[in-house]
Amino acid sequence: DAGITQSPRYKITETGRQVTLMCHQTWSHSYMFWYRQDLGHGLRLIYYSAAADITDKGEVPDGYVVSRSKTENFPLTLESATRSQTSVYFCASRASGRGSYNEQFFGPGTRLTVL
Amino acid sequence: AQTVTQSQPEMSVQEAETVTLSCTYDTSESNYYLFWYKQPPSRQMILVIRQEAYKQQNATENRFSVNFQKAAKSFSLKISDSQLGDTAMYFCAFMNPGGSEKLVFGKGTKLTVNP
Repeated sequence: DAGITQSPRYKITETGRQVTLMCHQTWSHSYMFWYRQDLGHGLRLIYYSAAADITDKGEVPDGYVVSRSKTENFPLTLESATRSQTSVYFCASRASGRGSYNEQFFGPGTRLTVL
Repeated sequence: AQTVTQSQPEMSVQEAETVTLSCTYDTSESNYYLFWYKQPPSRQMILVIRQEAYKQQNATENRFSVNFQKAAKSFSLKISDSQLGDTAMYFCAFMNPGGSEKLVFGKGTKLTVNP
């Protein structure tokens, strides 16, 4: 399917377990992002990537790890899940270049519950 | 650091009427982009409208228009002829191009359109 997809869409896990959320985009966009959405906070940036093998921290990176070996994939790993990481996670991508539309396209989100 | 403030956590409007959602932001940059995103109950993030800071003319997209006041750092969204399908969370977002390209979001306004 064309566009940006996330898997799984729903995940329940237990405190201390490792969890990986997947993100895949078919546009070959340079930039990819991970946000978390919590009630009362809007969306906050966890990590972003400007290109393959280039990643950087966002506003709330603690407890998360990312990698980007291929342009189209940007997985997010919770190394040891905590209850405070219960949230809805959104992946997004956008093209680079000053002439671009600058729109970020969002995936459908993953609802993660940590028990 | 840039901040985005949406001072109205919730709003309601009658079908066919007009409603305005407020957004203010803080930045020292002169070139930036502003966006309004809609998030219906499906959770999908949908771009409603965008504004480039160097453009004086206010953006419009069908029933949606903005009032961009650069000096006041204000970016309000006006929805005309409100429809039941406009019921959603609305997020104001800021982006400074040329850096991380990340979006900084406000906390959102929950809009309910009543029949």
